[in-house]
Amino acid sequence: QQQVRQSSQSLTVWEGETAILNCSYENSAFDYFPWYQQFPGEGPALLIAIRSVSDKKEDGRFTIFFNKREKNLSLHIKDSQPGDSATYFCAASADAGAKLTFGGGTRLTVRP
Amino acid sequence: GPKVLQIPSHQIIDMGQMVTLNCDPVSNHLYFYWYKQILGQQMEFLVNFYNGKVMEKSKLFKDQFSVERPDGSYFTLKIQPTALEDSAVYFCASSLGEGTEVFFGKGTRLTVV
Repeated sequence: QQQVRQSSQSLTVWEGETAILNCSYENSAFDYFPWYQQFPGEGPALLIAIRSVSDKKEDGRFTIFFNKREKNLSLHIKDSQPGDSATYFCAASADAGAKLTFGGGTRLTVRP
Repeated sequence: GPKVLQIPSHQIIDMGQMVTLNCDPVSNHLYFYWYKQILGQQMEFLVNFYNGKVMEKSKLFKDQFSVERPDGSYFTLKIQPTALEDSAVYFCASSLGEGTEVFFGKGTRLTVV
């Protein structure tokens, strides 16, 4: 049973479009939701994170929308660039810094 | 930014042999983690470690696995003996404390043959 699920394994958008990556979770105890970006051959790097007390977190071109009632969240990447092409992991934990439960990842391709 | 270094990047080992994966965490970090990722699957938590002790481990952390960080040196994951199903990429991570960002290394690809 997957506790954190990412609905798409892959997503392709054109440069300049907004990429939307979706994630859902099952455990109501989760209260911290980081998104990690991973390039081939690299480890995951924290991109942006949100706590369950908030419904939106914005950092530059990246925004998380969070719906606690529906237990889902999405990462929006505005004005997508080819350099954003990577695998994005949604993760969750019951406490920031505690063990992270990862989704399966979404491979984003941004076409010029 | 802060770097977590993992040595080696690749390791091929015969089934039944012992292997030690080494991790050099961010210098002032206190919490250490190992995650396992089988090709094409999601990353899964193995264990976390603080103040010289295992704090929590998952079902994937079999009896053949052990971790230690002797005297502030490398944080290591030892598998003895290895099995074919241990083939995966193992990611080390560290954080300064609870509630702080977790930094990941580039991973060690372990192939058990």
